Amino acid sequence: EDQVTQSPEALRLQEGESSSLNCSYTVSGLRGLFWYRQDPGKGPEFLFTLYSAGEEKEKERLKATLTKKESFLHITAPKPEDSATYLCAVQANNQGGKLIFGQGTELSVKP
Amino acid sequence: KAGVTQTPRYLIKTRGQQVTLSCSPISGHRSVSWYQQTPGQGLQFLFEYFSETQRNKGNFPGRFSGRQFSNSRSEMNVSTLELGDSALYLCASQRGTTGNEQFFGPGTRLTVL
Repeated sequence: EDQVTQSPEALRLQEGESSSLNCSYTVSGLRGLFWYRQDPGKGPEFLFTLYSAGEEKEKERLKATLTKKESFLHITAPKPEDSATYLCAVQANNQGGKLIFGQGTELSVKP
Repeated sequence: KAGVTQTPRYLIKTRGQQVTLSCSPISGHRSVSWYQQTPGQGLQFLFEYFSETQRNKGNFPGRFSGRQFSNSRSEMNVSTLELGDSALYLCASQRGTTGNEQFFGPGTRLTVL
């Protein structure tokens, strides 16, 4: 069964304290892995798509990496405005556009 | 470029009623997917439509249905509402059918009393 597990469930950081979020997945043929950010009461905001092991993408203080079994979202020198829930999702071959989501990591960055 | 729009944003219904939610995708996007988000289950896939055809369906009862129109706008319907249907319903728009980014709307918050 296709499955996505994110850890930790919650993460509290001080401003400037770098860290990483983990997304482990099992899927019968990976089409793509997606990272989203979700603020309370809003829809998920697209961040990155990764397609193959070894691929990396960066955007401001965020960097996403992918291996055959997991993905990491590295946050460098976070700011309070980075506080949000970060969601990881996979899309499998032969499943159309269906995304399978993890439960998310709730990140809180204190000044 | 306008994003994904969903109407209404908030809805309160009572058990046994039915509800219809609407989604307008990004211009040029032909695929629309629907998801249910609850605190306990997270984001769960309901169904996907492409060119007015349902391409995939999640593990939800038949009370949940949807459709897509020729202009790619989509509606989902929930009949005989139950308390457990209270959730944030999200619509996602995608240009093609696979391997492309999905962009989400703000969601419709449904409360069933």
